[in-house]
Amino acid sequence: QQQVKQSPQSLIVQKGGISIINCAYENTAFDYFPWYQQFPGKGPALLIAIRPDVSEKKEGRFTISFNKSAKQFSLHIMDSQPGDSATYFCAASNSGNTGKLIFGQGTTLQVKP
Amino acid sequence: DTGVSQDPRHKITKRGQNVTFRCDPISEHNRLYWYRQTLGQGPEFLTYFQNEAQLEKSRLLSDRFSAERPKGSFSTLEIQRTEQGDSAMYLCASSFETAGAFFGQGTRLTVV
Repeated sequence: QQQVKQSPQSLIVQKGGISIINCAYENTAFDYFPWYQQFPGKGPALLIAIRPDVSEKKEGRFTISFNKSAKQFSLHIMDSQPGDSATYFCAASNSGNTGKLIFGQGTTLQVKP
Repeated sequence: DTGVSQDPRHKITKRGQNVTFRCDPISEHNRLYWYRQTLGQGPEFLTYFQNEAQLEKSRLLSDRFSAERPKGSFSTLEIQRTEQGDSAMYLCASSFETAGAFFGQGTRLTVV
């Protein structure tokens, strides 16, 4: 019940295209859903996050869509750029408890010029 | 504020040796976490501090691992009698209450 399942494992997108990464969770106590971007040899960087009281959040080219009834959320990267090539992790936590993050398995994104 | 700082960035040690990592969180962040990440995997939770109190430890954290956060400021993670299976990236993260967690650059441990 603590798992967060992420797909796809890898994704190749042309420059200017839309990248879509999906995650699903089981634990209904989760109330905070962040996405992290990680480059090789670096720590994860917080990209965007959402809470269950909204269905969508947009920050620049990055959008999270959240479906509470399906227990699913997704990251959309619009106008994907080669600099977006990285590994993306979704995560979930019960922020009112310890706030520890349960991470998905990661998606390696390659944006071709 | 320069973010979460971890030291050292890289550590190579011989099997059986003890190692200690340090994490300096973002100032005024009361929550501090340690995670471990192996190649191709997402970070896995190890332990959590609320101020100076260690409130949760994962079952991944064997008796050889110990963490402290004296006075609720910096934190240290010590691994005793290192094993090859301890080779991983050790990540520290901090947050203020229920806000987002920010990660450091990690300490890459290699046990030879």
